This record gives sequence, C-alpha cells and structure tokens, in this order.
Amino acid sequence: TQLLEQSPQFLSIQEGENLTVYCNSSSVFSSLQWYRQEPGEGPVLLVTVVTGGEVKKLKRLTFQFGDARKDSSLHITAAQPGDTGLYLCAGPNSGNTPLVFGKGTRLSVIA
Amino acid sequence: GAGVSQSPSNKVTEKGKDVELRCDPISGHTALYWYRQSLGQGLEFLIYFQGNSAPDKSGLPSDRFSAERTGGSVSTLTIQRTQQEDSAVYLCASSLYPDTQYFGPGTRLTVL
Repeated sequence: TQLLEQSPQFLSIQEGENLTVYCNSSSVFSSLQWYRQEPGEGPVLLVTVVTGGEVKKLKRLTFQFGDARKDSSLHITAAQPGDTGLYLCAGPNSGNTPLVFGKGTRLSVIA
Repeated sequence: GAGVSQSPSNKVTEKGKDVELRCDPISGHTALYWYRQSLGQGLEFLIYFQGNSAPDKSGLPSDRFSAERTGGSVSTLTIQRTQQEDSAVYLCASSLYPDTQYFGPGTRLTVL
C-alpha cells in the first residue's frame, strides 16, 4: 500500500497570515486529491491534480503537484476563520483499493 | 439532489454488542465505499462495492466486520461483538466510479 504523509499535523495561525501544508510520498501517484473536512461532516473534495508540476488555484488556495508526482502542497493566502478544518490529501492506491488518505493537517485560523 | 446520508449520526453501545450502520448513497452512483476515521488518524479504507462485482473486502480489520449492499443502493456495515478499539467515525462515500467520491456526514460510534 502506498503511503501519504502530511505535515504539519496541527497548525494554528492568525487571520490574514499565509500558510503551506504538505503531502509527501515515496511512491508515484497518477493523481492526488485534496479534501477539507469540518467537524461533524464528511470530507469535501477541493481539487484533483493529475499532471506533474501542475498548479491549480481555488480563490485563495493554491495547489501544486510535484514534478515527480510524489508530493503536493496547498498554500492558503490571507487565511480566514472559515478556512478552519482538517485538510486531507488522497491518491489512488497501486492495489485495488480506491483511495489512500494521509492523516491530515488540522488548521485553526484565529480571528 | 440529496447527498449521501448515514444513520444513526451517533451510536453508543456496550462492549460485546452488535451494531448496524446504514448508508444511503446518491441515487445512480454505482460505487459505494466505507471508511473508518479514528482520532488523530486518516481515513482507513474498509470495503467497497462497484456495481454487481464482488465487493473488495481487503480493508476489513477482522471477521467481526461485514457489509452488504442491497439492490445496488443502500448499504449496511455490521460490527459484531464490538470492542473499544472499534470506536471511531465510520464514513460512507459513493461515486460514479472512478469519479469523485461524495462523503456522508458519518456515524460516530462509541463502544463503552
């Protein structure tokens, strides 16, 4: 089973600050997905990156897929309290199981 | 349209009891997945159903866990003789395989 490691595990910042969270693996993934999960809810897909070096933007969120397709990052500009949540990366496993998930980064943005 | 729904939202049970967790997927979605999320852990794959194919049970942690999907729609995850380590949030997702998975809100299971 391919593994995804996310860092940092926890992050607490002030409103307006910028931040970057990381998703790393020793394995190559055909694609990676980023989800956000809020308390009491299931994860919601934010973006899928499929091409090495790809950069996708979603308002203040910028997602990048590494050239070698082994890592990805999520950068948030001018964080807001509404960005608070658990950010998960996931990718298709080399086996038959649908997706393997990282343990997530729990972000808290303080007003 | 309606999203994925799960019931109950919370379940408290005593060690040794059996529990059933229900998932209603989005209508028309051919694939259905069960995951477990423990405190401080990521989502752990349990089982998935794709159309009429035999389910992939490779993620089930023990033979106390089983799941079925009736009529290609509703699914039930059953945990027999629950243990304290089974306490977790159980998440269900559905998709038009292999497209985006849509998750339900989960069932929080607490085994006392």
